[in-house]
Amino acid sequence: KNEVEQSPQNLTAQEGEFITINCSYSVGISALHWLQQHPGGGIVSLFMLSSGKKKHGRLIATINIQEKHSSLHITASHPRDSAVYICAVVTGNQFYFGTGTSLTVIP
Amino acid sequence: KAGVTQTPRYLIKTRGQQVTLSCSPISGHRSVSWYQQTPGQGLQFLFEYFSETQRNKGNFPGRFSGRQFSNSRSEMNVSTLELGDSALYLCASSLDPGQGQIQYFGPGTRLLVL
Repeated sequence: KNEVEQSPQNLTAQEGEFITINCSYSVGISALHWLQQHPGGGIVSLFMLSSGKKKHGRLIATINIQEKHSSLHITASHPRDSAVYICAVVTGNQFYFGTGTSLTVIP
Repeated sequence: KAGVTQTPRYLIKTRGQQVTLSCSPISGHRSVSWYQQTPGQGLQFLFEYFSETQRNKGNFPGRFSGRQFSNSRSEMNVSTLELGDSALYLCASSLDPGQGQIQYFGPGTRLLVL
């Protein structure tokens, strides 16, 4: 049983397209993180959310606590956005991770 | 500020050996968490240290242990290595403890067990 489900698993987009990655979870959470992992392993924390919406540059993250769902949107996608995007939820003092969405943006 | 650093970056060991990995957090950060990433299981939480004390622990056997020093640097140790321990081990630091904090990840140590 996975506490966190992400969709899609893989995504290929043309440069400039609007991208949405979804995350659903089944447990009560105190926070949700969106992480970006580039080839080679380095992980960058993009957002931490407990409610509402956050925006940073071309990235927007939203969370609906009642529906137990979060989305990560990328506007005007660029090849440098190609990476694996991972959703992680905090419940109690535990961290549960989604399996990631592999995004490839083609020029 | 320098980011989170991990040493070594790559390591090859054989079954039955033990290994120690090191993590230096961002200056001023007092909390260090460790994660294991494998192709099969994805990212999994190992443990979190704050003020030289383990605060939380994931679902891993006792072969996995860690500690934190007074300068917040942390080490994790895996004893009696198994093939399945081959993974990328990531540490992350945050100002304060708790998984609701923004975490800053290191580049990871890639461990291969033969």
